[in-house]
Amino acid sequence: AQSVTQLDSHVSVSEGTPVLLRCNYSSSYSPSLFWYVQHPNKGLQLLLKYTSAATLVKGINGFEAEFKKSETSFHLTKPSAHMSDAAEYFCVVSDGGTSYDKVIFGPGTSLSVIP
Amino acid sequence: NAGVTQTPKFQVLKTGQSMTLQCAQDMNHEYMSWYRQDPGMGLRLIHYSVGAGITDQGEVPNGYNVSRSTTEDFPLRLLSAAPSQTSVYFCASRSGVEKLFFGSGTQLSVL
Repeated sequence: AQSVTQLDSHVSVSEGTPVLLRCNYSSSYSPSLFWYVQHPNKGLQLLLKYTSAATLVKGINGFEAEFKKSETSFHLTKPSAHMSDAAEYFCVVSDGGTSYDKVIFGPGTSLSVIP
Repeated sequence: NAGVTQTPKFQVLKTGQSMTLQCAQDMNHEYMSWYRQDPGMGLRLIHYSVGAGITDQGEVPNGYNVSRSTTEDFPLRLLSAAPSQTSVYFCASRSGVEKLFFGSGTQLSVL
């Protein structure tokens, strides 16, 4: 069964500095991996997804993530944080590559951006 | 194209009462699911379905029932509400390995 660990429950960065949100996963097959963001009192928005194509995935708003199978990791990065990046971020895994696989969320990392 | 429609938006129940959260999608998605969101715990999967007549348990299924009689609808039933079921509930659907489409959420309080 798949599972997700987000290593930091809260990350605080200064505006203009890099962002690193860490995610490790467990999967029995070749997983599909996603990052979602949720701004306060808003719905969930897809940032990016990995589905067995290129291991470096680029998403919206300057975010990217690298799939490392040997480390079972899918960390989210951004070169320069913006105030509008302050939100809750969720790493998500789906076993295999079919529509029959359940989708599991990690517990989330709350990102604060200090001006 | 309405996407995922989830009702009601807010609900207050007394302990022991039953209710059904409704979820409908008009995108012909095979996969539908229910999550609950609690502070610090992310979204936890309650039940999911990969097609009409097929349902399976997620991470936290106890106290909840589901059925999938049509592709479009996936209701979530609380048979006897408990305060521990106070949460925000989201219905979501997807096609293939694409992103999830979410409903707007239901804020449920059980007193």
